[in-house]
Amino acid sequence: EAGVAQSPRYKIIEKRQSVAFWCNPISGHATLYWYQQILGQGPKLLIQFQNNGVVDDSQLPKDRFSAERLKGVDSTLKIQPAKLEDSAVYLCASSLTEQETQYFGPGTRLLVL
Amino acid sequence: RKEVEQDPGPFNVPEGATVAFNCTYSNSASQSFFWYRQDCRKEPKLLMSVYSSGNEDGRFTAQLNRASQYISLLIRDSKLSDSATYLCVVRKYYGDTPLVFGKGTRLSVIA
Repeated sequence: EAGVAQSPRYKIIEKRQSVAFWCNPISGHATLYWYQQILGQGPKLLIQFQNNGVVDDSQLPKDRFSAERLKGVDSTLKIQPAKLEDSAVYLCASSLTEQETQYFGPGTRLLVL
Repeated sequence: RKEVEQDPGPFNVPEGATVAFNCTYSNSASQSFFWYRQDCRKEPKLLMSVYSSGNEDGRFTAQLNRASQYISLLIRDSKLSDSATYLCVVRKYYGDTPLVFGKGTRLSVIA
Protein backbone atom coordinates (compact mmCIF):
# COMPACT_ATOMS: atom_id res chain seq x y z
CA GLU A 1 0.00 0.00 0.00
CA ALA A 2 1.39 3.42 -0.93
CA GLY A 3 2.12 5.72 1.97
CA VAL A 4 1.54 9.43 2.40
CA ALA A 5 3.26 11.37 -0.38
CA GLN A 6 4.64 14.88 0.03
CA SER A 7 6.43 17.29 -2.24
CA PRO A 8 8.78 18.96 -2.48
CA ARG A 9 11.13 17.19 -0.09
CA TYR A 10 13.30 20.28 0.38
CA LYS A 11 12.77 23.98 -0.15
CA ILE A 12 14.99 26.97 0.45
CA ILE A 13 13.46 30.45 0.19
CA GLU A 14 14.19 33.94 1.39
CA LYS A 15 12.10 35.62 4.05
CA ARG A 16 8.97 37.33 2.77
CA GLN A 17 8.71 34.91 -0.13
CA SER A 18 5.81 32.49 -0.54
CA VAL A 19 5.95 28.71 -0.52
CA ALA A 20 3.47 25.87 -0.97
CA PHE A 21 3.60 22.24 0.06
CA TRP A 22 1.55 19.38 -1.32
CA CYS A 23 0.30 16.21 0.35
CA ASN A 24 -1.42 13.12 -1.02
CA PRO A 25 -2.77 10.96 1.81
CA ILE A 26 -3.18 7.20 1.86
CA SER A 27 -6.08 6.19 -0.34
CA GLY A 28 -9.37 6.14 1.57
CA HIS A 29 -8.11 8.11 4.55
CA ALA A 30 -10.71 10.69 5.50
CA THR A 31 -8.61 12.58 8.03
CA LEU A 32 -5.57 14.63 7.03
CA TYR A 33 -3.20 16.57 9.28
CA TRP A 34 -0.45 19.10 8.77
CA TYR A 35 2.21 19.33 11.47
CA GLN A 36 5.19 21.64 11.93
CA GLN A 37 8.30 20.13 13.50
CA ILE A 38 11.01 22.58 14.50
CA LEU A 39 14.47 21.13 15.11
CA GLY A 40 14.68 19.54 18.55
CA GLN A 41 10.91 19.64 19.11
CA GLY A 42 8.05 17.22 18.64
CA PRO A 43 5.55 17.75 15.81
CA LYS A 44 2.95 20.44 16.46
CA LEU A 45 -0.46 20.20 14.80
CA LEU A 46 -1.23 23.11 12.48
CA ILE A 47 -4.51 21.97 10.95
CA GLN A 48 -6.73 18.89 10.75
CA PHE A 49 -9.18 18.11 7.95
CA GLN A 50 -12.03 15.63 7.99
CA ASN A 51 -12.72 15.04 4.28
CA ASN A 52 -12.76 18.61 2.91
CA GLY A 53 -13.79 20.32 6.16
CA VAL A 54 -11.52 21.86 8.78
CA VAL A 55 -11.81 20.17 12.20
CA ASP A 56 -9.10 22.07 14.08
CA ASP A 57 -6.95 24.98 12.98
CA SER A 58 -6.47 26.57 16.39
CA GLN A 59 -2.67 26.51 16.13
CA LEU A 60 -2.43 27.69 12.53
CA PRO A 61 -0.95 31.23 12.24
CA LYS A 62 -3.73 32.40 9.99
CA ASP A 63 -2.11 35.72 9.14
CA ARG A 64 0.45 33.89 7.02
CA PHE A 65 -0.50 30.22 6.79
CA SER A 66 -3.38 28.74 4.81
CA ALA A 67 -4.37 25.22 3.89
CA GLU A 68 -7.01 23.61 1.77
CA ARG A 69 -8.31 20.18 0.86
CA LEU A 70 -10.85 21.11 -1.74
CA LYS A 71 -11.87 17.66 -3.00
CA GLY A 72 -11.26 15.83 0.26
CA VAL A 73 -8.15 14.06 -1.01
CA ASP A 74 -4.95 16.05 -1.73
CA SER A 75 -4.07 19.04 0.37
CA THR A 76 -1.84 22.08 0.06
CA LEU A 77 -0.30 24.18 2.81
CA LYS A 78 0.87 27.70 1.94
CA ILE A 79 3.01 30.22 3.78
CA GLN A 80 2.84 33.82 2.62
CA PRO A 81 5.03 35.66 3.52
CA ALA A 82 7.58 33.36 5.14
CA LYS A 83 9.55 34.34 8.24
CA LEU A 84 12.87 33.00 9.49
CA GLU A 85 11.10 31.15 12.32
CA ASP A 86 9.08 29.13 9.78
CA SER A 87 12.20 27.04 9.09
CA ALA A 88 11.06 23.54 10.04
CA VAL A 89 9.93 20.20 8.66
CA TYR A 90 6.31 20.22 7.56
CA LEU A 91 4.78 16.80 8.02
CA CYS A 92 1.54 15.61 6.52
CA ALA A 93 -0.25 12.66 8.12
CA SER A 94 -3.46 10.80 7.39
CA SER A 95 -5.71 8.35 9.16
CA LEU A 96 -8.73 6.31 8.21
CA THR A 97 -10.82 8.13 10.79
CA GLU A 98 -9.99 10.60 13.55
CA GLN A 99 -9.58 7.78 16.06
CA GLU A 100 -7.30 5.57 13.97
CA THR A 101 -3.50 5.50 13.76
CA GLN A 102 -1.91 8.43 11.96
CA TYR A 103 0.58 7.66 9.20
CA PHE A 104 3.11 10.33 8.40
CA GLY A 105 4.63 11.33 5.10
CA PRO A 106 8.39 11.96 4.70
CA GLY A 107 7.95 15.69 5.28
CA THR A 108 9.09 18.84 3.49
CA ARG A 109 12.18 20.43 4.97
CA LEU A 110 11.90 24.23 4.69
CA LEU A 111 14.76 26.64 5.22
CA VAL A 112 13.97 30.35 5.27
CA LEU A 113 17.01 32.60 4.81
CA ARG B 1 3.94 23.27 32.76
CA LYS B 2 4.22 21.73 29.29
CA GLU B 3 1.43 19.37 28.21
CA VAL B 4 3.84 16.49 27.63
CA GLU B 5 7.32 16.40 29.14
CA GLN B 6 10.01 13.83 28.52
CA ASP B 7 13.41 12.95 29.90
CA PRO B 8 16.07 15.12 28.33
CA GLY B 9 18.40 13.10 26.11
CA PRO B 10 20.52 11.88 24.66
CA PHE B 11 20.79 8.41 26.15
CA ASN B 12 23.94 6.60 25.03
CA VAL B 13 23.84 2.92 25.94
CA PRO B 14 25.81 -0.19 24.93
CA GLU B 15 24.21 -2.97 22.93
CA GLY B 16 22.31 -5.37 25.16
CA ALA B 17 21.54 -2.76 27.80
CA THR B 18 18.10 -2.05 29.22
CA VAL B 19 16.97 1.56 28.94
CA ALA B 20 13.87 3.32 30.25
CA PHE B 21 12.25 6.54 29.09
CA ASN B 22 9.82 8.53 31.20
CA CYS B 23 7.12 10.97 30.26
CA THR B 24 4.66 13.06 32.26
CA TYR B 25 1.50 14.75 31.04
CA SER B 26 -0.31 17.70 32.57
CA ASN B 27 -3.96 17.11 31.65
CA SER B 28 -5.59 14.55 33.94
CA ALA B 29 -8.42 14.17 31.42
CA SER B 30 -6.03 12.65 28.88
CA GLN B 31 -7.32 9.33 27.63
CA SER B 32 -5.01 7.86 25.01
CA PHE B 33 -1.27 7.43 25.11
CA PHE B 34 1.32 6.34 22.57
CA TRP B 35 5.00 6.01 21.89
CA TYR B 36 6.21 7.00 18.43
CA ARG B 37 9.67 6.39 17.03
CA GLN B 38 11.41 8.87 14.75
CA ASP B 39 14.65 7.98 12.97
CA CYS B 40 17.05 10.76 12.03
CA ARG B 41 15.60 12.87 9.21
CA LYS B 42 12.61 10.56 8.87
CA GLU B 43 8.95 10.77 9.79
CA PRO B 44 7.49 9.59 13.13
CA LYS B 45 6.03 6.09 13.18
CA LEU B 46 3.78 4.55 15.79
CA LEU B 47 5.78 2.20 18.01
CA MET B 48 3.03 1.17 20.38
CA SER B 49 -0.09 2.32 22.17
CA VAL B 50 -0.02 2.41 25.97
CA TYR B 51 -2.82 0.67 27.82
CA SER B 52 -3.88 1.11 31.43
CA SER B 53 -2.79 -2.39 32.39
CA GLY B 54 0.59 -1.99 30.69
CA ASN B 55 1.54 -3.80 27.52
CA GLU B 56 4.48 -5.51 25.95
CA ASP B 57 5.62 -5.97 22.38
CA GLY B 58 8.74 -8.11 22.16
CA ARG B 59 11.57 -6.21 23.82
CA PHE B 60 9.41 -3.13 24.42
CA THR B 61 7.21 -2.59 27.49
CA ALA B 62 4.96 0.41 28.03
CA GLN B 63 3.44 1.37 31.38
CA LEU B 64 0.85 3.97 32.38
CA ASN B 65 0.30 5.41 35.84
CA ARG B 66 -2.82 7.58 35.72
CA ALA B 67 -2.55 8.69 39.33
CA SER B 68 0.92 10.14 38.74
CA GLN B 69 0.16 11.11 35.12
CA TYR B 70 3.25 9.22 34.06
CA ILE B 71 4.09 7.00 31.09
CA SER B 72 7.18 4.88 30.59
CA LEU B 73 8.84 2.88 27.84
CA LEU B 74 11.33 0.13 28.64
CA ILE B 75 13.59 -1.35 25.98
CA ARG B 76 15.36 -4.57 26.88
CA ASP B 77 18.41 -6.02 25.13
CA SER B 78 19.01 -2.85 23.10
CA LYS B 79 20.01 -3.24 19.45
CA LEU B 80 21.94 -0.82 17.28
CA SER B 81 18.75 -0.46 15.22
CA ASP B 82 16.91 0.92 18.26
CA SER B 83 18.88 4.17 17.87
CA ALA B 84 16.23 6.83 17.24
CA THR B 85 14.21 9.54 18.96
CA TYR B 86 11.28 8.28 21.02
CA LEU B 87 8.27 10.60 21.19
CA CYS B 88 5.71 10.42 23.97
CA VAL B 89 2.26 11.28 22.62
CA VAL B 90 -1.01 12.02 24.42
CA ARG B 91 -4.56 12.54 23.22
CA LYS B 92 -6.59 14.64 25.64
CA TYR B 93 -9.98 13.05 25.22
CA TYR B 94 -11.47 10.10 23.45
CA GLY B 95 -11.87 10.37 19.73
CA ASP B 96 -11.26 13.43 17.74
CA THR B 97 -8.98 15.67 19.76
CA PRO B 98 -5.47 16.28 18.49
CA LEU B 99 -2.39 14.33 19.47
CA VAL B 100 0.12 16.28 21.56
CA PHE B 101 3.74 15.25 21.08
CA GLY B 102 6.57 15.56 23.56
CA LYS B 103 9.96 16.86 22.44
CA GLY B 104 11.32 13.36 22.23
CA THR B 105 14.26 11.58 23.81
CA ARG B 106 17.16 10.56 21.63
CA LEU B 107 18.64 7.10 22.10
CA SER B 108 22.01 6.02 20.72
CA VAL B 109 22.88 2.35 21.08
CA ILE B 110 26.61 1.85 20.78
CA ALA B 111 28.42 -1.33 19.69
